[in-house]
Amino acid sequence: EAQVTQNPRYLITVTGKKLTVTCSQNMNHEYMSWYRQDPGLGLRQIYYSMNVEVTDKGDVPEGYKVSRKEKRNFPLILESPSPNQTSLYFCASSLLSPGTGDYGYTFGSGTRLTVV
Amino acid sequence: GESVGLHLPTLSVQEGDNSIINCAYSNSASDYFIWYKQESGKGPQFIIDIRSNMDKRQGQRVTVLLNKTVKHLSLQIAATQPGDSAVYFCAETPGGYQKVTFGTGTKLQVIP
Repeated sequence: EAQVTQNPRYLITVTGKKLTVTCSQNMNHEYMSWYRQDPGLGLRQIYYSMNVEVTDKGDVPEGYKVSRKEKRNFPLILESPSPNQTSLYFCASSLLSPGTGDYGYTFGSGTRLTVV
Repeated sequence: GESVGLHLPTLSVQEGDNSIINCAYSNSASDYFIWYKQESGKGPQFIIDIRSNMDKRQGQRVTVLLNKTVKHLSLQIAATQPGDSAVYFCAETPGGYQKVTFGTGTKLQVIP
């Protein structure tokens, strides 16, 4: 089944403790992206990657890191999480960059992160 | 989850009626638009898309209308069903750019 898989689904952590949220897609998509979703603010893009070793900042990149060493994986790293990073996170992928053609996203099921 | 639906404009529709969900987009340079549906506890799901060289596109029970003059996008759902209850987001991509910007969403409640 074609899908984007995120892990974990739920995570509670303490301030300052480094964590990684994994994302993997099995569709050979070139473009991957991370979003956070907060009530009243919709989905805001954190980082995106157009291909292996090519990443760029989205609208809210502060406090996050990403890497794209393999085409299928795009982990989100919080080096020192803070309570304002408590949110619902989504990984998404598309065949090619949305700006190059008619490419919609496939989203993962989300990771609900709580930082206390 | 359920918290996604808080603070959102809500459209309540009787089962069987048609629904119209509106979206005002922000960037006049945007040339690709998508509607997504997000059910409680799930990630957004692609519904239908439209390019700026079109003003209407139809899918199964759904139609998207684009008015570039006033930067307005709408999603029409025919014969709304309980399974259509969800939060609906519009998204826009400016031509040649790699970012996708989402609207804040509208919650659709279908009354049986």
